Amino acid sequence: QKEVEQDPGPLSVPEGAIVSLNCTYSNSAFQYFMWYRQYSRKGPELLMYTYSSGNKEDGRFTAQVDKSSKYISLFIRDSQPSDSATYLCATPKAAGNKLTFGGGTRVLVKP
Amino acid sequence: EAQVTQNPRYLITVTGKKLTVTCSQNMNHEYMSWYRQDPGLGLRQIYYSMNVEVTDKGDVPEGYKVSRKEKRNFPLILESPSPNQTSLYFCASSSGLGAGVESGELFFGEGSRLTVL
Repeated sequence: QKEVEQDPGPLSVPEGAIVSLNCTYSNSAFQYFMWYRQYSRKGPELLMYTYSSGNKEDGRFTAQVDKSSKYISLFIRDSQPSDSATYLCATPKAAGNKLTFGGGTRVLVKP
Repeated sequence: EAQVTQNPRYLITVTGKKLTVTCSQNMNHEYMSWYRQDPGLGLRQIYYSMNVEVTDKGDVPEGYKVSRKEKRNFPLILESPSPNQTSLYFCASSSGLGAGVESGELFFGEGSRLTVL
């Protein structure tokens, strides 16, 4: 079983819709959770991160962590064509020497 | 501008011909790492370095070497490339002690697409 899993998509939505992305993880020791965004032909860039359980909001983006079910979510409100990218969830190992990434979900927002 | 620079961005080579992918960061970061990205497998860590002269294996180190003689540079060396090393490679750096225990922010380069024939 992979430590962090994502549905690869693609997820296609019309402009203005809410995008809902999910990850599951296997290790209950994971504490920090991140979402990276990767545009085509670019490196990933950090979108937002959360610690432990709960919600975090940043503009149109909301990240949720449910530690009881080992579930991580990212919601994008009022989606724009510029949100079309691959979204990767990630979590650091306790030793901090690497991030473990999910496989990424490709999102396409159609005008 | 703060950045991680990789070269070459694209390379086609043949089996067995040694190659080096360079990586340089201008943010004075302690930590640097190499990942490869493959369809269906996501990003997997190859090697990482916590500081100058300190390197260690990641999840998929076979067939690769690295060195960290200077803080800003972390080259990836393929001594004898094989077709299964065809992939998209990313160098990343972080100011944290590792991959960012607190914030997890890795700064990535733009990637190097390598094809081994």
